[in-house]
Amino acid sequence: AQSVTQPDIHITVSEGASLELRCNYSYGATPYLFWYVQSPGQGLQLLLKYFSGDTLVQGIKGFEAEFKRSQSSFNLRKPSVHWSDAAEYFCAVGPPGGSYIPTFGRGTSLIVHP
Amino acid sequence: NAGVTQTPKFQVLKTGQSMTLQCAQDMNHNSMYWYRQDPGMGLRLIYYSASEGTTDKGEVPNGYNVSRLNKREFSLRLESAAPSQTSVYFCASSEFSGNTDTQYFGPGTRLTVL
Repeated sequence: AQSVTQPDIHITVSEGASLELRCNYSYGATPYLFWYVQSPGQGLQLLLKYFSGDTLVQGIKGFEAEFKRSQSSFNLRKPSVHWSDAAEYFCAVGPPGGSYIPTFGRGTSLIVHP
Repeated sequence: NAGVTQTPKFQVLKTGQSMTLQCAQDMNHNSMYWYRQDPGMGLRLIYYSASEGTTDKGEVPNGYNVSRLNKREFSLRLESAAPSQTSVYFCASSEFSGNTDTQYFGPGTRLTVL
């Protein structure tokens, strides 16, 4: 069965600093990978997704993620964090093809200090 | 284009009461989902519907029932609410693109069972 681990429950960064949120997955083949963001009191919004091809994926709001097969990782990065990026971030993994049911990580809460 | 809408946004129930959470999407998606979100647990799938007329259990279906009323609407019913069902409930729908489904989430229903 597929699984996804977000090792960091909370991450605190200063505004303007760089950010990396970790995501590790367990799956027998190359999975489909997603990052979602949840602002306080809101639903989840898709930031980016990886299916195949270029392992560096660009998303919305200046985020990017890199798929590393050898490390079973799909870490989310942003070069300069803004106070509005404070939110909960979820990594998700799903099998390829057709209707799929993704497995979500437990989330990482990002705190941004001014 | 409203995306995925959910009603109500907030609800307080007493143990044993029943209620139905409503979800509708206007994106013509075939698949719809109900999740619950609890602190530190990420999102857990309750039920999903791959297409109109079909429903399937997810990870945590006990205590819930669903109805796929038509292609747009997917409701979640609690027949006899319990305090363990205090949670935030998210509805999602998905479209097939780039070889897999991408989910879009509603804003959530915050349910408290006393």
